[in-house]
Amino acid sequence: DAKTTQPTSMDCAEGRAANLPCNHSTISGNEYVYWYRQIHSQGPQYIIHGLKNNETNEMASLIITEDRKSSTLILPHATLRDTAVYYCIVRVTEYGNKLVFGAGTILRVKS
Amino acid sequence: NAGVTQTPKFQVLKTGQSMTLQCAQDMNHEYMSWYRQDPGMGLRLIHYSVGAGITDQGEVPNGYNVSRSTTEDFPLRLLSAAPSQTSVYFCASSIGFSGGTIYFGEGSWLTVV
Repeated sequence: DAKTTQPTSMDCAEGRAANLPCNHSTISGNEYVYWYRQIHSQGPQYIIHGLKNNETNEMASLIITEDRKSSTLILPHATLRDTAVYYCIVRVTEYGNKLVFGAGTILRVKS
Repeated sequence: NAGVTQTPKFQVLKTGQSMTLQCAQDMNHEYMSWYRQDPGMGLRLIHYSVGAGITDQGEVPNGYNVSRSTTEDFPLRLLSAAPSQTSVYFCASSIGFSGGTIYFGEGSWLTVV
């Protein structure tokens, strides 16, 4: 019952912006979009989340389309340490507002 | 501020044995949950709790028990370990269950032989 679709993998040059797309066409109006990343099966690391508006923090920016059916995570200046699996996640209202993980995107940052 | 702490980090069990994975958070979060991650897959919810004394099943609860006697602790019990429970287990917590940040522990690697 994955609610998100992401590319399997992407490459990005070090120092350039990494733009990771995500489709979530069945998202409901009160369900948030979260982005996490995971490095070598460590605990998922929080990046950013949003509901309707675009969001920015010290790590990344999140751009959500007006119809909320897709979003893009932007890492403005990718470094080698940003190489990881990036998960676009919808927090659904079932099961106490659980996180629904998809398969994620493997981002490889190359020098 | 330790965040979410899980113990043990690694464990090997024999089929049929029982054990408890510990999870503690020091952020006074009401919402806590347990996920499992199988190779190459995303995380799946096992059990969750919205506060002390309140627990409920997630999407893959069979073979697991939880309790929440305090706000800080949320242990996960494997009743009779099976090879299908070989996985990495993550505990998570958040201050609420709507739009807040969810913090994960570093994981507990469990192998059942």
